[in-house]
Amino acid sequence: AQKITQTQPGMFVQEKEAVTLDCTYDTSDPSYGLFWYKQPSSGEMIFLIYQGSYDQQNATEGRYSLNFQKARKSANLVISASQLGDSAMYFCAMRGVSGNTPLVFGKGTRLSVIA
Amino acid sequence: EPEVTQTPSHQVTQMGQEVILRCVPISNHLYFYWYRQILGQKVEFLVSFYNNEISEKSEIFDDQFSVERPDGSNFTLKIRSTKLEDSAMYFCASSLGQISGANVLTFGAGSRLTVL
Repeated sequence: AQKITQTQPGMFVQEKEAVTLDCTYDTSDPSYGLFWYKQPSSGEMIFLIYQGSYDQQNATEGRYSLNFQKARKSANLVISASQLGDSAMYFCAMRGVSGNTPLVFGKGTRLSVIA
Repeated sequence: EPEVTQTPSHQVTQMGQEVILRCVPISNHLYFYWYRQILGQKVEFLVSFYNNEISEKSEIFDDQFSVERPDGSNFTLKIRSTKLEDSAMYFCASSLGQISGANVLTFGAGSRLTVL
């Protein structure tokens, strides 16, 4: 079974600053993927970034980067140069790659960007 | 950019009524999913579907729920007799595969179900 823990229910960040959203995970799968999704107030789930457990380098997508520390079982999301439009709920998720294992989500972190 | 389309965006129904939520996954995707999110809570897995059959389902997905892929494009979730606690946002998702970046799930905008 997989478990995702997001310990920050809410975070505030000043516009143009960087922010780190924490995520730790637990799994018995030897191979797995880690994901971050953004959910704005409109409700849709927007894929941001993916990290495979055997990827040698941390994933980056524009202003998003994933700080993957396998030994610590953490997959923190770093958003650089925050924008007002980044205000949203952010979910960390994971799934194993053996069989059609479901994507399991954490409880989310609400990020508020302040002008 | 290809997207997952869900209808209706919002449905209000009376307790005990049947509801069908519809989804059109991305055309070349092979794996299909339903998730739900009760207001203010986390996103929960309901069911996954591959090769015209359910491949995995959660404890939430009891006999009141069913899924179907009636043709080559639509993927539906049916709730036979709705309960108050079924009120939630229901998300459909699809993925190309299971390996590496192909296992990224693309979500639809969701269908909000309100049971009165």
